[in-house]
Amino acid sequence: AQTVTQSQPEMSVQEAETVTLSCTYDTSESDYYLFWYKQPPSRQMILVIRQEAYKQQNATENRFSVNFQKAAKSFSLKISDSQLGDAAMYFCAYRSVSGGGADGLTFGKGTHLIIQP
Amino acid sequence: NAGVTQTPKFQVLKTGQSMTLQCAQDMNHEYMSWYRQDPGMGLRLIHYSVGAGITDQGEVPNGYNVSRSTTEDFPLRLLSAAPSQTSVYFCASSTPRGLYNEQFFGPGTRLTVL
Repeated sequence: AQTVTQSQPEMSVQEAETVTLSCTYDTSESDYYLFWYKQPPSRQMILVIRQEAYKQQNATENRFSVNFQKAAKSFSLKISDSQLGDAAMYFCAYRSVSGGGADGLTFGKGTHLIIQP
Repeated sequence: NAGVTQTPKFQVLKTGQSMTLQCAQDMNHEYMSWYRQDPGMGLRLIHYSVGAGITDQGEVPNGYNVSRSTTEDFPLRLLSAAPSQTSVYFCASSTPRGLYNEQFFGPGTRLTVL
């Protein structure tokens, strides 16, 4: 079974600064998907960014980028130019490719991101 | 498209009561899942389905039943609610034909069992 570990229960950053959220995972599979989800107080799960394991290039979505280190099984999220609207819980998640990912996502415990004005 | 919808948004039960959490999707997705979210625990998979008539257990299935009679609906049943089932419940759907097999989440149901 896969496991996902987020070692930072809470992070704080000044508005306009850059912050990096850590995620490590354990798997015996060679191909898989990795995701970062944002959960604001409304509790809606919002997909922030995704990465396919077989792609070496790190994914980027506007101010959000990842540092994917497959050998180290590390998948960190970098948020540049932090904004007040980025304040939320952030979850790292793993999804198997085998079986079309039918058995859902494995989530980390989350990191609470605080943005200081 | 409404996406994934869940009802109710909030529910309070007494220990021993039964209820069904409703989930529906209008994207013709084959896969549907139920997760629960507890403080400090992230989301954990309860049950999932790969199509009408086919369901399977996830990480934390005890105390919950599911069935999938149509592609659109995937209800979650609590037969005898317990305080340990106090949680926020999320339904999600996806398709193996989709890019990254992305899961689409409903808005969640907050359940309190007294």
